[in-house]
Amino acid sequence: AQSVTQPDIHITVSEGASLELRCNYSYGATPYLFWYVQSPGQGLQLLLKYFSGDTLVQGIKGFEAEFKRSQSSFNLRKPSVHWSDAAEYFCAVLKAAGNKLTFGGGTRVLVKP
Amino acid sequence: NAGVMQNPRHLVRRRGQEARLRCSPMKGHSHVYWYRQLPEEGLKFMVYLQKENIIDESGMPKERFSAEFPKEGPSILRIQQVVRGDSAAYFCASSPISGTGVFAKAKNIQYFGAGTRLSVL
Repeated sequence: AQSVTQPDIHITVSEGASLELRCNYSYGATPYLFWYVQSPGQGLQLLLKYFSGDTLVQGIKGFEAEFKRSQSSFNLRKPSVHWSDAAEYFCAVLKAAGNKLTFGGGTRVLVKP
Repeated sequence: NAGVMQNPRHLVRRRGQEARLRCSPMKGHSHVYWYRQLPEEGLKFMVYLQKENIIDESGMPKERFSAEFPKEGPSILRIQQVVRGDSAAYFCASSPISGTGVFAKAKNIQYFGAGTRLSVL
């Protein structure tokens, strides 16, 4: 069975500093990969996705993620965080032939002034 | 184009009552997915439906939970005889198409609603 691991439950970062959120997946083939963001009391918003091709993908709000097949990772990065980036971030995997998303446990990001 | 609409946003039920959660997919979407988010946890898949068909219910609890997506109207997630452990946020997502193929890949994206937060007293 596939699984998604987000090793960091909480991350605190200063405004203006860089941010990297880790995501590792376990799956026999390359799945489709997603990052979603959830603001408090809200639904999930898609930040970016990887299906194939260029392993560095750009998303909304200045986020990017890099797919590394050798490490089964899909880490999310942002060069300079804003206070509005405080939220919970979820990495998710979709089997190429399936339809259900498998989510990681999430990483809660706190932004210090 | 309105997004995925879920209602109610908040639902309070006493133990033993029924909870009905509604989800209207985005216009043009015919695939609906339900996920549950327990406190301090990630989202877990429950069920995947197309119009009038349940495609995958592998994540649904065996008892008290059911889902439907009729030809007309929203998808409904129904929880009978709720218990405190059912308290969670329930999210619906929709997608326009699923399956393989170059163009299908680009559309195999699930768009989420704002969720229904169920509290069982």
